[in-house]
Amino acid sequence: EAQVTQNPRYLITVTGKKLTVTCSQNMNHEYMSWYRQDPGLGLRQIYYSMNVEVTDKGDVPEGYKVSRKEKRNFPLILESPSPNQTSLYFCASSSDRGVPEAFFGQGTRLTVV
Amino acid sequence: AQRVTQPEKLLSVFKGAPVELKCNYSYSGSPELFWYVQYSRQRLQLLLRHISRESIKGFTADLNKGETSFHLKKPFAQEEDSAMYYCALSDYNTDKLIFGTGTRLQVFP
Repeated sequence: EAQVTQNPRYLITVTGKKLTVTCSQNMNHEYMSWYRQDPGLGLRQIYYSMNVEVTDKGDVPEGYKVSRKEKRNFPLILESPSPNQTSLYFCASSSDRGVPEAFFGQGTRLTVV
Repeated sequence: AQRVTQPEKLLSVFKGAPVELKCNYSYSGSPELFWYVQYSRQRLQLLLRHISRESIKGFTADLNKGETSFHLKKPFAQEEDSAMYYCALSDYNTDKLIFGTGTRLQVFP
């Protein structure tokens, strides 16, 4: 089954404690990205990657890092989480550059206290 | 600047009533526009894209370049249509997908 898998689904952490949210897709897609979803703000892109070892900032990259060492994986790293990063995060992938993501992960709800 | 505007945060209708979720965009060039839907506790799914000109689950959307709009319509709403709907624009210059802030559709029985 074609899918995008994020882990964990729920995470509560404390300010400053490094964390990683994993994202994996099994569709051999080149394009992957991370979004955060906040009430009243919709979805905002954090980072995206057009292929292995190619990443670029989205609209709200501050406080986040990503890596793309393999085509299937695109982890989101928060080196020093802060409460304003409490949000619902979505990973997504697509097979065509410039074509919007057709497949989203199930979301990771992060709470930073 | 490229932008997608969904003016309504919430749209409530009764079952069987027509639905129109508004989407306006700002884009210099030929846009590619989409509607995504997010049902409760589920992931976002692509509902439809303007280039395919198809009807999905009874929904249609027509790109109106003169009015820079891409409104989502359904003649008779169903309770299972209750969800969050996002309009999105593909920016080929930056390879970004720009989302609107979303409209929550509530369909009452």
